[in-house]
Amino acid sequence: AQSVTQLGSHVSVSEGALVLLRCNYSSSVPPYLFWYVQYPNQGLQLLLKYTSAATLVKGINGFEAEFKKSETSFHLTKPSAHMSDAAEYFCAVSNVNGGSQGNLIFGKGTKLSVKP
Amino acid sequence: DAGVTQSPTHLIKTRGQQVTLRCSPKSGHDTVSWYQQALGQGPQFIFQYYEEEERQRGNFPDRFSGHQFPNYSSELNVNALLLGDSALYLCASSFLAGRGRGEQYFGPGTRLTVT
Repeated sequence: AQSVTQLGSHVSVSEGALVLLRCNYSSSVPPYLFWYVQYPNQGLQLLLKYTSAATLVKGINGFEAEFKKSETSFHLTKPSAHMSDAAEYFCAVSNVNGGSQGNLIFGKGTKLSVKP
Repeated sequence: DAGVTQSPTHLIKTRGQQVTLRCSPKSGHDTVSWYQQALGQGPQFIFQYYEEEERQRGNFPDRFSGHQFPNYSSELNVNALLLGDSALYLCASSFLAGRGRGEQYFGPGTRLTVT
């Protein structure tokens, strides 16, 4: 069975500092991996996705993530945090059929706070 | 281009009642998935509809049922509501023929409160 573990339910950074949100996955087959962001009282917005092409994936709003098979990780980073990045972030893995056909399995989320 | 829309935005029901939530997929999408997001948790997959049939189902009881219409819109029905059904219900649409590399687009959700 596939699963996702997000380390740290709450991360706080200063504006301009590096953002690092951790995600480890478990999958018996090559996974499709996603990062979504959720702002208060809103749905989920896709930040980026890994679908077995380049291991370094660039997304929207300056975020990127690197797929590391040896570490079963897909950590999300942003070089310089902005106040508008404050939100909850979810890592997700799709089932063997892929991102559009299969269901997504989500981690519990990491709430990012950005201090001025 | 309208994205995924859901109605209603908020809903308050009493234990034992039944509820119907509605979802219209993004233009060009033919597949609808439903997720339940309890407070402080990640979304959990309920089921997915394609060609008006339930294609996949998560670990949810039969009290949760759905329907997809010819125009690809979908309904989620929950019978005999329990307090534990209080959650944000998210609808996501996708294009099945994209065969795996496409992504699911989420709506803003319906906040259900069961009292």
